[in-house]
Amino acid sequence: GNSVTQMEGPVTLSEEAFLTINCTYTATGYPSLFWYVQYPGEGLQLLLKATKADDKGSNKGFEATYRKETTSFHLEKGSVQVSDSAVYFCALDTGRRALTFGSGTRLQVQP
Amino acid sequence: EAGVAQSPRYKIIEKRQSVAFWCNPISGHATLYWYQQILGQGPKLLIQFQNNGVVDDSQLPKDRFSAERLKGVDSTLKIQPAKLEDSAVYLCASSLSGGSPQAFFGQGTRLTVV
Repeated sequence: GNSVTQMEGPVTLSEEAFLTINCTYTATGYPSLFWYVQYPGEGLQLLLKATKADDKGSNKGFEATYRKETTSFHLEKGSVQVSDSAVYFCALDTGRRALTFGSGTRLQVQP
Repeated sequence: EAGVAQSPRYKIIEKRQSVAFWCNPISGHATLYWYQQILGQGPKLLIQFQNNGVVDDSQLPKDRFSAERLKGVDSTLKIQPAKLEDSAVYLCASSLSGGSPQAFFGQGTRLTVV
């Protein structure tokens, strides 16, 4: 079946540090890949997505590249801010439109 | 554009009691989902509707959980009777049909079963 594996958190960084959150997946067919973010007290929000191999999704300084050869979709940001503190979820969709989520990675950014 | 509305935000019940959650999706969204998010885990799909028909309920514990989508718009999720392990956040999401849809999520209902 489909599954998503994320690095465990929490990830604690100082402001302006470089961020990488690893995500790998197992899926049949050719899934679309997503990163969702959950800020404290808020609902899940789509951060970025990629629908085919080698696509790069980007938003708010975050980037992730769909790597079919390594079945990965790692999230990166060059310089994190305190406001980026949240829980980040990697997810995939194989066309059924229901998302399969990873377990989430909590990011804490310290000033 | 109004988002996905859910109520209540919080609910505390005793085990073996019943509870219901309500969801109003974004206007025009044909697809509606209910997810269960246990603390420390990612959301897990419970049921998916397309208009008022069920597309996938394979992970819904049907002996205690039920859901309906009234006239293809609002939806309710019910648990009867509740167990301690049902303590979780219940998320409702909706999306347009066709293409590669973006699912929009509500803020969720946090259920605590004591």
